[in-house]
Amino acid sequence: GAVVSQHPSWVICKSGTSVKIECRSLDFQATTMFWYRQFPKQSLMLMATSNEGSKATYEQGVEKDKFLINHASLTLSTLTVTSAHPEDSSFYICSARLANTIYFGEGSWLTVV
Amino acid sequence: RKEVEQDPGPFNVPEGATVAFNCTYSNSASQSFFWYRQDCRKEPKLLMSVYSSGNEDGRFTAQLNRASQYISLLIRDSKLSDSATYLCVVNPSPGNTPLVFGKGTRLSVIA
Repeated sequence: GAVVSQHPSWVICKSGTSVKIECRSLDFQATTMFWYRQFPKQSLMLMATSNEGSKATYEQGVEKDKFLINHASLTLSTLTVTSAHPEDSSFYICSARLANTIYFGEGSWLTVV
Repeated sequence: RKEVEQDPGPFNVPEGATVAFNCTYSNSASQSFFWYRQDCRKEPKLLMSVYSSGNEDGRFTAQLNRASQYISLLIRDSKLSDSATYLCVVNPSPGNTPLVFGKGTRLSVIA
């Protein structure tokens, strides 16, 4: 069964609106979760590291005010894409470590129209 | 130089063929290495870890050469279900740090 759950799997939103994506660790606590983005035929690119109870660490070039990350509990991290634009359309995926293995959520396909 | 480099392919091979993928990484201090498989529009799933001594899991064999900073994956007796993108993945440092992904090598196994 799934170890990390992500929701929603698919979302279509209008340009200018905000979208929230949830990432949950199932039956384990994840003090750190990672958010990636993948454009078609590209590799997964790390966007930010989400830390429970503290601010997220963003990778260079990722706007922290546009991609809001909240990790308020040990099992939930959320990514909010604010004022989404068509160029934000992508596959967003989170991951967390359990023991020595990294597990990924199912991913969220975002289409901004 | 990119941190993890792979031949993007695609590799189009007939069923039953043996196919090899290669990967190089730039950070000599990297700690651990993996091959992940990603199906179209799905999340990556761990295929196998890679060790210096080499490791085998059924039809899949992975090798690591630390001196050359080179990782390989060999798939024997290819099946149609092996069609996917294979991601070379590196953990650059100890602890709970993010993985670094190659772009992936696309494999199509043809009947």
